[in-house]
Amino acid sequence: EVQLVATGGDLIQPGGSLRLSCAASGFTVSSNYLSWVRQAPGKGLEWLSVIYSGGGTYYADSVKGRFTISRDSSQNTLYLQMNSLTAGDTAVYYCAGGYSYGYVDYWGQGTLVTVSS
Amino acid sequence: DIQMTQSPSSLSASVGDRVTITCRASQGITNYLAWYQQKPGKLPNLLIYAAYTLQSGVPSRFSGSGSGTDFTLTISSLQPEDVATYYCQKYNSAPWTFGQGTKVEIK
Repeated sequence: EVQLVATGGDLIQPGGSLRLSCAASGFTVSSNYLSWVRQAPGKGLEWLSVIYSGGGTYYADSVKGRFTISRDSSQNTLYLQMNSLTAGDTAVYYCAGGYSYGYVDYWGQGTLVTVSS
Repeated sequence: DIQMTQSPSSLSASVGDRVTITCRASQGITNYLAWYQQKPGKLPNLLIYAAYTLQSGVPSRFSGSGSGTDFTLTISSLQPEDVATYYCQKYNSAPWTFGQGTKVEIK
């Protein structure tokens, strides 16, 4: 059974940094496609970033230069380093994985990031 | 970047009705389009990929069509358990943008 468990969400002050983690089981992070998607309260899904099986990384314009996606094969874990956070980054952050390019087969349960002073 | 626009933003239909949701890309994406269903308080669930391929386990009343810039998700006979928000997502190239969602309710 595939499980993606996202952790690291917290209440953080504007301008702060936070690192989210997504521990995978039954799914190999180094050989599949993994994304981060967020959903602000009462809003729709916003795709943020993907790391390809080959290691390539891509970002939405809204987070480019502030967020960094990475993975640790030895820990089978995905990360999202988030810097220069603003209130607009307040959302539930989901890690999401897929065996094939582009679409998501599995979703983690989400971790809440609240940016507020 | 390519923008994805869904219509309508919300709809209300009766049980048994045929429901159609449209997703339009600002540039052609061939058939690199997926549809997801998100029920209230739940995680999104993949319904369709490659514009019309039904994900395993998804009821056959769901279908997808289209290519290029215009796509549709059809529910042939709306059921109470289909109350959800539906999202399209393009993946011809990054960014893998979602549409803004269509909320489906029962009349």
